Amino acid sequence: QSALTQPASVSGSPGQSISISCTGTSRNVGSYNLVSWYQQFPGKAPKLMIYEATKRPSGVSSRFSGSKSGNTASLTISGLQAEDEAEYYCCAYAGSKTFYVFGTGTKVTVL
Amino acid sequence: QVQLVQSGAEVKKPGASVKVSCKVSGDTFTGNYMHWVRQAPGQGPEWMGRINPNTGGTNYAQKFEGRVTMTRDTSTSTAYMELSTLRPDDTAVYYCARDADEGGCFDFWGQGTLVTVSS
Repeated sequence: QSALTQPASVSGSPGQSISISCTGTSRNVGSYNLVSWYQQFPGKAPKLMIYEATKRPSGVSSRFSGSKSGNTASLTISGLQAEDEAEYYCCAYAGSKTFYVFGTGTKVTVL
Repeated sequence: QVQLVQSGAEVKKPGASVKVSCKVSGDTFTGNYMHWVRQAPGQGPEWMGRINPNTGGTNYAQKFEGRVTMTRDTSTSTAYMELSTLRPDDTAVYYCARDADEGGCFDFWGQGTLVTVSS
């Protein structure tokens, strides 16, 4: 199954809010609320930031929030900080044949 | 705190096999599915499959069916992923990642194992 579509890059100034979209199909994002988001720094493993489309794990900053509408999920980072500069990936459950599909990734740059 | 510690980097020739290990500490090994995810250089992650550490039952991505084998050793709390008939485009960092209690995502990850396939 094809990867979920994300913008290659998103940038913002410190303090601003940015959003990253993750577009799938009715077979994955549109069918289940099992969308998660990961932050990844170069050479490091991904870190879970959002699960079940809107929920934040313990310890993740409240500046990170998620939403979903139809076949598109979104990650919003509010009050952008220099430490948020990283690659972000979405992931969606796609049923019991395909299981999981990841997004193409978005590089967040803090100007 | 849950920790997943993977085996070290590997260099393999095309056609060979590689076996990567993932040792779990800090939690009950048999309590959550363990997934394997790989990430080729400059690419996004790719889900390869999962194993139920309790039963040994597996599910593999169709792309890897016939080439991947996931096993576990409950006595040492270690999961294994073996990929055979390696090709240069199998060069990637391979991660083990624990299924979250809530399901549908991966809450703890290993540090990654770089597998390089080159003649």
